[in-house]
Amino acid sequence: AAGVIQSPRHLIKEKRETATLKCYPIPRHDTVYWYQQGPGQDPQFLISFYEKMQSDKGSIPDRFSAQQFSDYHSELNMSSLELGDSALYFCASVERGEDEQFFGPGTRLTVL
Amino acid sequence: GNSVTQMEGPVTLSEEAFLTINCTYTATGYPSLFWYVQYPGEGLQLLLKATKADDKGSNKGFEATYRKETTSFHLEKGSVQVSDSAVYFCASYGNNRLAFGKGNQVVVIP
Repeated sequence: AAGVIQSPRHLIKEKRETATLKCYPIPRHDTVYWYQQGPGQDPQFLISFYEKMQSDKGSIPDRFSAQQFSDYHSELNMSSLELGDSALYFCASVERGEDEQFFGPGTRLTVL
Repeated sequence: GNSVTQMEGPVTLSEEAFLTINCTYTATGYPSLFWYVQYPGEGLQLLLKATKADDKGSNKGFEATYRKETTSFHLEKGSVQVSDSAVYFCASYGNNRLAFGKGNQVVVIP
């Protein structure tokens, strides 16, 4: 069965650089969530999209932005990277009318 | 908003031992409840879920029952294997997002 695809799987950046993380949801899933998981921490909700519109916002820094495109894939744009942004970033997708979130494998971002 | 509390600290036990990981939730209303498992270096995998009071979720020998009266969703397995070594997260869905507990590292020793 198709799963959520995230790219890249690993990313290394310098401080103050920018990064773009991509998420491709499961076909027919129209809702996408982004989570950030710091080392040894639980995942924290960042932002979500439903039908290409932002539906909810969590603890996402102003330096980050995200959007969902017409094909339902989503991109998380991160600017002015800081050391503390080093984390695993997960994307999850949900089928319309359901509440079960299917997680991608994550993108491990390391900021040096 | 919704929140989830898991018992503190890692859990180390021998193969074939009984596993219990406690989870309690606070929420307005009756959220759907989930257990996710994360193997080393991997993403989150849904282990089981329950959507209403008294529902029992089960998968791969793991079970959890949605207890409204104690606001709990404890995870149990009767006989663990080394391959069950992972981090286990309890989560509740409410306000259009998942709220996770802090997670418990489970280490099963042969």
